[in-house]
Amino acid sequence: ELKVEQNPLFLSMQEGKNYTIYCNYSTTSDRLYWYRQDPGKSLESLFVLLSNGAVKQEGRLMASLDTKARLSTLHITAAVHDLSATYFCAVGSNTGNQFYFGTGTSLTVIP
Amino acid sequence: NAGVTQTPKFQVLKTGQSMTLQCAQDMNHEYMSWYRQDPGMGLRLIHYSVGAGITDQGEVPNGYNVSRSTTEDFPLRLLSAAPSQTSVYFCASMVRAYSNQPQHFGDGTRLSIL
Repeated sequence: ELKVEQNPLFLSMQEGKNYTIYCNYSTTSDRLYWYRQDPGKSLESLFVLLSNGAVKQEGRLMASLDTKARLSTLHITAAVHDLSATYFCAVGSNTGNQFYFGTGTSLTVIP
Repeated sequence: NAGVTQTPKFQVLKTGQSMTLQCAQDMNHEYMSWYRQDPGMGLRLIHYSVGAGITDQGEVPNGYNVSRSTTEDFPLRLLSAAPSQTSVYFCASMVRAYSNQPQHFGDGTRLSIL
């Protein structure tokens, strides 16, 4: 079974600062997804990463994928309060049609 | 654009009762799935379907049944509710499991078992 670990689990950062969320997974995969969830809400897709070395950017968020290291990162640049949310990575299984989620990183941006 | 629609949004059951959580999508997606979200555990896959008439088990299938008679609908049945099934349930769909598109999630069903 594929295991997905995210760290940190909780992140409190000041506005304007940079930080990185890490997503490690245990077995080979070529599909990695990042989602955002606001409290009490559904999940919203942020990025789809499908190949080694893939990098995608949207606003202050940038995601990358290293399939050899089984690692994806979500980098936050110059954080703003609106980025406060829980961020999940999810990995697709190479042996079937299942997706495995990390436990999430709860981000709070402090003014 | 309705996307993925889940009903009900909230439900309280007594132990031993059965119920069906409804999920419908209007995007003609082949792949549909059910997850449960518990504090500190992320989302865990219960069951999934790669097309009408095809379903399979995920990580945590015990106590749940699914069927996929049409492309649009993917109901989740709790056979005999237990307090351990208290959770938030999300239905999701995507074009295909192997695609360059993400899953689209419904708004969730918050289920409490007393």
